[in-house]
Amino acid sequence: SQQGEEDPQALSIQGGENATMNCSYKTSINNLQWYRQNSGRGLVHLILIRSNEREKHSGRLRVTLDTSKKSSSLLITASRAADTASYFCATADDSNYQLIWGAGTKLIIKP
Amino acid sequence: GAGVSQTPSNKVTEKGKYVELRCDPISGHTALYWYRQSLGQGPEFLIYFQGTGAADDSGLPNDRFFAVRPEGSVSTLKIQRTERGDSAVYLCASSLTGVPHTEAFFGQGTRLTVV
Repeated sequence: SQQGEEDPQALSIQGGENATMNCSYKTSINNLQWYRQNSGRGLVHLILIRSNEREKHSGRLRVTLDTSKKSSSLLITASRAADTASYFCATADDSNYQLIWGAGTKLIIKP
Repeated sequence: GAGVSQTPSNKVTEKGKYVELRCDPISGHTALYWYRQSLGQGPEFLIYFQGTGAADDSGLPNDRFFAVRPEGSVSTLKIQRTERGDSAVYLCASSLTGVPHTEAFFGQGTRLTVV
């Protein structure tokens, strides 16, 4: 079953603009992770934020986590063509070791 | 190796046949996961190994699916009597200990097509 829901399902923006994607989840978590997937194949880990953290940065990425609203956002600043991909959030909890995934946001960066 | 390696990258098989998908995790990673991803969806958990044992196989859809990791490194996902509904990308991931505490590293996946 899928826990996370990404919003929007698809996003198309001009290169240089900022892209924001949101993720909502249903149950309590140990951490939330964001992944990127190109061409429907390998997933690349972007950032992990723990349940006791509110914000985390990595290069052009900024992730926020609001556990009271069970939601997270991923901001990509100064977008580039190479950022075109699908972005997934995945949650991990303490009761088991599987990641529970949303359906992803498809991001297209127009040149 | 440098990353998680999955073979083959593509597999086309006839309905009813048996297939094996191989995963070679990052050296030293004790945790290994199999996921399945259908078009337009997020990955769906199948099974998790900690060392040689399957710690959680609750995601395997039925008894046609089986996975092994006999020496705590390479894993093989086995599908018997394949059905068209089994067509998907099968992803393998490994992590140093286990997901709640560390990130998972994914292979490029095996695209299985059952015709």
